[in-house]
Amino acid sequence: GQNIDQPTEMTATEGAIVQINCTYQTSGFNGLFWYQQHAGEAPTFLSYNVLDGLEEKGRFSSFLSRSKGYSYLLLKELQMKDSASYLCAVRDKDSSYKLIFGSGTRLLVRP
Amino acid sequence: SAVISQKPSRDICQRGTSLTIQCQVDSQVTMMFWYRQQPGQSLTLIATANQGSEATYESGFVIDKFPISRPNLTFSTLTVSNLSPEDSSIYLCSVEQQGDTEAFFGQGTRLTVV
Repeated sequence: GQNIDQPTEMTATEGAIVQINCTYQTSGFNGLFWYQQHAGEAPTFLSYNVLDGLEEKGRFSSFLSRSKGYSYLLLKELQMKDSASYLCAVRDKDSSYKLIFGSGTRLLVRP
Repeated sequence: SAVISQKPSRDICQRGTSLTIQCQVDSQVTMMFWYRQQPGQSLTLIATANQGSEATYESGFVIDKFPISRPNLTFSTLTVSNLSPEDSSIYLCSVEQQGDTEAFFGQGTRLTVV
């Protein structure tokens, strides 16, 4: 079966750094995605990892360890507009390459 | 990237009626999906819309309740039938191009059943 876990909520301060963790269990791992979703809006793509290591894109970085079934999304220099839900999703080749989403982490950035 | 137009953006419907949601993409795409997002929760895949054939439904979702059409590579509809308050949710269309890594999402349809 598939299982994706991430914290329900996190709070951080403007200008700080926050790390959102995601652990997963799938039989046919074929890539991990992070999406950002503001309230009432569609998810937007942030990052994609298929090999171990860190992918950096501006203020956002994403890390993957396939042996540990673990990823994190790192947000630096937090801004108020970063308050949103962050969804971890795994593509599973044993499920017709579908995206399986975690429950999402609601991040609140405070002044 | 793909630009997705999803309509309507929101609707309030009476129980027992049906709502059809449209998803139009600005380019031909390989894969089209329909998701449900209940309040405060993440995305649950309803089905994969297959061009020219019946959709592939996930466990817990059936064609009689969620009929889907996909007449071509740029358009799909999802109908939510025999509405009940439990169907109040956001419904999202998603597309992927074979060989691409990411999925793109429409803006979603917020359905309220009264």
